[in-house]
Amino acid sequence: EIVLTQSPGTLSLSPGERATLSCRASQSVANNYLAWYQQKPGQASRLLIYGASSRAAGIPDRFSGSGSGTDFTLTISRLEPEDFAVYYCQQYGTSPRTFGQGTKVEIK
Amino acid sequence: QVQLQESGPGLVKPSETLSLTCTVSGGSISSYYWSWIRQPPGKGLEWIGYIYYSGSTNYNPSLKTRVTISVDMSKNQFSLKLTSVTAADTAVYYCARHAPGPYDYWGQGTLVTVSS
Repeated sequence: EIVLTQSPGTLSLSPGERATLSCRASQSVANNYLAWYQQKPGQASRLLIYGASSRAAGIPDRFSGSGSGTDFTLTISRLEPEDFAVYYCQQYGTSPRTFGQGTKVEIK
Repeated sequence: QVQLQESGPGLVKPSETLSLTCTVSGGSISSYYWSWIRQPPGKGLEWIGYIYYSGSTNYNPSLKTRVTISVDMSKNQFSLKLTSVTAADTAVYYCARHAPGPYDYWGQGTLVTVSS
């Protein structure tokens, strides 16, 4: 199965700063079928990015995804208070679908 | 707005069967894939398996021998059964929807603890 490694494990930033999250795959992700999700305690996870770089419906344009093959990045251009959460990458190009272990974006 | 809600016992004894149901509201269960995903405390997410509304299934090979996912279109629900559970199966269990693509709707999750 494809192993996704996210870095860093925790990112300590202030509101207004830029966040850059990395997701590296153990082998090439088919068709760049890579998604990013936001997870907050007690809430349903939210799809942010699919196909490596396409924003899901209703997602603010401060969220952007890039990358291909084995290296992918989620960028939050200017952190809003509601953006402090855990972010997961996930590949859906090859079965079994797999997730990264998550990056926590916390308030500095 | 599509909503998913997990339900079922929060405590299961070792060696018994974990049973959960996901109720879909705000949309039909038809024409989509419906997955179960879990997250052990302090760990990452693990895909368990999915069912297509027609009944075809696909399971994670690591759990395949113990997992059954079924669908009840009349109730707009789908269910998970995981047999012979151990403490390693303690996790928050999520249900989620996808087309042939990413998960676009998730439930909030339900914690299931395996303990005697």
